[in-house]
Amino acid sequence: EAQVTQNPRYLITVTGKKLTVTCSQNMNHEYMSWYRQDPGLGLRQIYYSMNVEVTDKGDVPEGYKVSRKEKRNFPLILESPSPNQTSLYFCASSPTGGNIRDTQYFGPGTRLTVL
Amino acid sequence: AQSVTQPDIHITVSEGASLELRCNYSYGATPYLFWYVQSPGQGLQLLLKYFSGDTLVQGIKGFEAEFKRSQSSFNLRKPSVHWSDAAEYFCALSGGYQKVTFGTGTKLQVIP
Repeated sequence: EAQVTQNPRYLITVTGKKLTVTCSQNMNHEYMSWYRQDPGLGLRQIYYSMNVEVTDKGDVPEGYKVSRKEKRNFPLILESPSPNQTSLYFCASSPTGGNIRDTQYFGPGTRLTVL
Repeated sequence: AQSVTQPDIHITVSEGASLELRCNYSYGATPYLFWYVQSPGQGLQLLLKYFSGDTLVQGIKGFEAEFKRSQSSFNLRKPSVHWSDAAEYFCALSGGYQKVTFGTGTKLQVIP
């Protein structure tokens, strides 16, 4: 089944403890992206990747890191999480990196709480 | 800069009534516009998208949207709402370099 998977789905952590949220897609998509969703703010793009080893900042990249060493994986890293990063995170992928008309396929989301 | 505005945070309609969700955008070139739906506890699912050509776009689940360049709008419509349509709806714009901007969402409540 074609899908985008995220792990973990739920995570409670403490301020300053490094964490990684994994994202994997099995559709051979070139483009992958991370969003955070907050009440009243909708989805905001954190980082995106047009292809392996190609990443770029979205609207809210501060406090996050990403890497794209393999086509299928796009982990989101919080080196020193803070309470304002408590949010619902979505990973998405789409077939090509150069065609902005592509449909994005979303993962199920990761709910992160930072105490 | 690109932006998307969904002026209605919450809308309540009766089952069987018609629905229109508003979306206004700001972008300096040809916009690529999308509508997504998010059911409670779920990810986002694409309803429809507009790139060019016919300004009336048909999507899944009986939804359609009309692109009006003069009004910078891309409103979502459905002739007859079903209880299963209760969800949150997001309008999105895709601009250069694959940057995607979402609106803040409209929550739809359907009453019997």
